[in-house]
Amino acid sequence: QVQLVQSGAEMKKPGSSVNVSCKASGGDISSYAINWVRQAPGEGLEWMGNIIPIFGTTNYAQRFQGRLTLTADKAATTVSMELSSLRSDDTAVYYCAKVKPYSMSNAFDVWGQGTLVSVSS
Amino acid sequence: DIQMTQSPSSLSASVGDRVTITCRASQGIANYLNWFQQKPGRAPKLLIYTTSNLESGVPSRFSGSGSGTDFALTISSLQPEDFAAYYCQQSFAVPYTFGQGTNLEIK
Repeated sequence: QVQLVQSGAEMKKPGSSVNVSCKASGGDISSYAINWVRQAPGEGLEWMGNIIPIFGTTNYAQRFQGRLTLTADKAATTVSMELSSLRSDDTAVYYCAKVKPYSMSNAFDVWGQGTLVSVSS
Repeated sequence: DIQMTQSPSSLSASVGDRVTITCRASQGIANYLNWFQQKPGRAPKLLIYTTSNLESGVPSRFSGSGSGTDFALTISSLQPEDFAAYYCQQSFAVPYTFGQGTNLEIK
């Protein structure tokens, strides 16, 4: 069973950038879309974008266009999310999640543990 | 973007109750509707995918139904561990939007 392990919590200043990694263990994720979802404190879930590691193809939600960059390493075992020009309202827990294999559902069946990004001056 | 409207936003119920949460899409999404459960401080957990398919390991008291724009998650007999937040999500087209969530609380 694939597990996704994310990097640790980050504290950032407004205007800076943050990089959160998501490493797969126990299986191959290279051909499955890895999605990024965030959750502000006390709020709901917000889809940010996804990447298919083996191809490097990406989709981004319009509201993050120009600020969000998703990349995958050459071995396609680690996906990274970089969010730039951080604002206080980017304070949230950021999750990576993979799509369910052997299914056309695009459903997110395995999630990382989440990474808290706090943005404050 | 496809908007997902979930109701109710909160729900109080007792152990053993049957509860239903509904989700409406702003346009047709075929059967690309998924349901997640989230407990405080934890990542969301997939319960139901493509409207009515039970994810492996999820108890059979959870079921999903619907098509097109209107969908529902039903819990047939609430158990203590079911009190949590629930989210619907469309995976028909990016951006993969979520409903605003339903907080299921103990009465």
